[in-house]
Amino acid sequence: QKEVEQDPGPLSVPEGAIVSLNCTYSNSAFQYFMWYRQYSRKGPELLMYTYSSGNKEDGRFTAQVDKSSKYISLFIRDSQPSDSATYLCAMRMDSSYKLIFGSGTRLLVRP
Amino acid sequence: DAGVIQSPRHEVTEMGQEVTLRCKPISGHDYLFWYRQTMMRGLELLIYFNNNVPIDDSGMPEDRFSAKMPNASFSTLKIQPSEPRDSAVYFCASSLLGGRTGELFFGEGSRLTVL
Repeated sequence: QKEVEQDPGPLSVPEGAIVSLNCTYSNSAFQYFMWYRQYSRKGPELLMYTYSSGNKEDGRFTAQVDKSSKYISLFIRDSQPSDSATYLCAMRMDSSYKLIFGSGTRLLVRP
Repeated sequence: DAGVIQSPRHEVTEMGQEVTLRCKPISGHDYLFWYRQTMMRGLELLIYFNNNVPIDDSGMPEDRFSAKMPNASFSTLKIQPSEPRDSAVYFCASSLLGGRTGELFFGEGSRLTVL
């Protein structure tokens, strides 16, 4: 079993929809949770960062961490065609800088 | 700032050949990471350095892989001899203070095809 599981998609939604992306993990020691966005043939770039549990909002993006369920989510409101990309969750422990990535979910927002 | 610079962007080689991938991190960053991305396995950490010193190389698949960081502005990942299963996109990333805010800055990757 992988440490971090993520549905690969693809997920196809119409413009303006609310998108929900999720990851589950098995290691309860993970404390840092991130979402990266990767456009085709580019490197990943950081979207959201959360330490421990709770919610964080940044514009149209909201990240949620539920450590009791070992489950993290990224919500995108009013999705735009420019949001079409692969979204990777990532996490690490306090004691290590080793960032473990999910396999990524491909999102397509149709105009 | 120029960002993380990787070369070559694309490499096609034959099985058994030596491959060298290069990375220039962002100036001032003290951590450097090498990742490999494939459809089957996603993004896997191969090795990371702190202040030019290798800290964790547990992700290096086997002895055919080696990485060096001779100075703060340059790192190489070498595969010798290469095999078809090494075909992947190799990313270099750098960060300040180990990316405590989660921010690793990735290069655009080196796409390797081994025939």
